[in-house]
Order: sequence, then structure tokens, then C-alpha cells
Amino acid sequence: EAGVAQSPRYKIIEKRQSVAFWCNPISGHATLYWYQQILGQGPKLLIQFQNNGVVDDSQLPKDRFSAERLKGVDSTLKIQPAKLEDSAVYLCASSLVGDDNTIYFGEGSWLTVV
Amino acid sequence: AQSVTQLDSHVSVSEGTPVLLRCNYSSSYSPSLFWYVQHPNKGLQLLLKYTSAATLVKGINGFEAEFKKSETSFHLTKPSAHMSDAAEYFCVVLPDDYKLSFGAGTTVTVRA
Repeated sequence: EAGVAQSPRYKIIEKRQSVAFWCNPISGHATLYWYQQILGQGPKLLIQFQNNGVVDDSQLPKDRFSAERLKGVDSTLKIQPAKLEDSAVYLCASSLVGDDNTIYFGEGSWLTVV
Repeated sequence: AQSVTQLDSHVSVSEGTPVLLRCNYSSSYSPSLFWYVQHPNKGLQLLLKYTSAATLVKGINGFEAEFKKSETSFHLTKPSAHMSDAAEYFCVVLPDDYKLSFGAGTTVTVRA
């Protein structure tokens, strides 16, 4: 079974530029999460989707971050314009709703803003 | 609301000795509980999970965890540490509303 796929794996951009990350969850997983993990810290939830609806985006900096999951499958996270403090790993995760609610994480997209 | 407290930010052990990582949680519901490991520059890997079945859960790489409802704890143990166990460990709670809560993480170092 294929895992959670993320791309690109690594990205370096200048501040005020834009960047987009893509995530393809495990097939059939209704719940999709985007996390931000700053070096030395635990992951922080940015947004949680259930199918194509947003469950929680309370910690998403909406002035610069946006995310969508239009068809309830893959998802895109965008940052525009980027700031230095956005340098982090962006983790995508997915899970079923039901008995097997294990959360599976992708390898992450590593962003450096210079 | 739910929260997760990992009681030790850093644990240092000698190779071949036991490892204990402590996790306490608070939740209004009957949560699912997970331990994940993150090696340097890697993603999060599931070690084990508790989902209201057996209270002693065995995971990969010789790790196990015991769910104690009366103590609201889910401590992770391994009888004999290996150098490859050096990593960051996260305790995670998933309540009925599917809003994950992460602990702050415990860094494990293993001395030769």
C-alpha cells in the first residue's frame, strides 16, 4: 500500500516569494492534516480536512497561508508571501474515519526561506 | 479539550539499558493514543497505538507501551536501548473529534 506522498521534498525560496506544497493521502483516507514543524519543536496543526471540508483551520495564518482539497483527495498548501519564520518542515498526514484511525505521515516538505 | 504532557524533554541512556518515556494525557473522551518516532531529517514513523483493546501494546523495534486509565498515562518502554533508538519521540492523542494533540517531544540519546 502506497504511503502519504508529498512534494517537493525540499524547497529554498527568498522571502516574499510564494511556494506550494502538494500532498496525496493514502487511498480512501477521508481525513487529511497539514502540520508545520519548526526545528526543535513538535508539529503544529495548520489545517484539518474531512473529505473536502475544513474541520479546523484555527491556527492557519490566513493572511499568507491557504490550503485546499477540492475533490476530497489530494491537497495543496500555499504560502504567499513567505517570511523567514516560515522555514520549517510541512508534514501531511491522513487517516481513515472509523476503527482503524491510525494517522500516517508523509516524509515532509522542507522549506527554507532566505 | 485534550492535552498531552511528555514529562521528560530529554532522556539519556546507555546502550543495552532500559528506556522509559513518560506521557500523560487529559481527554474528555476515550482517546486513541499513539507513539511516533522521528529520526533526524526524517518524517514521523508510527511505533505503536492503543485503541481500547489490550492495555499493553507492543510496537515495532522492541517498544511497548501500557495504557493506564486510572493514571491517564501511556508510557513507552524498551528493555534494551540500541544506538539506532536515538531520535525524537512524540506521544499523540486522538480523541473522538479527530483533532490530534501532540506532546512536546522527548529527545533520546544513547551512550555507547
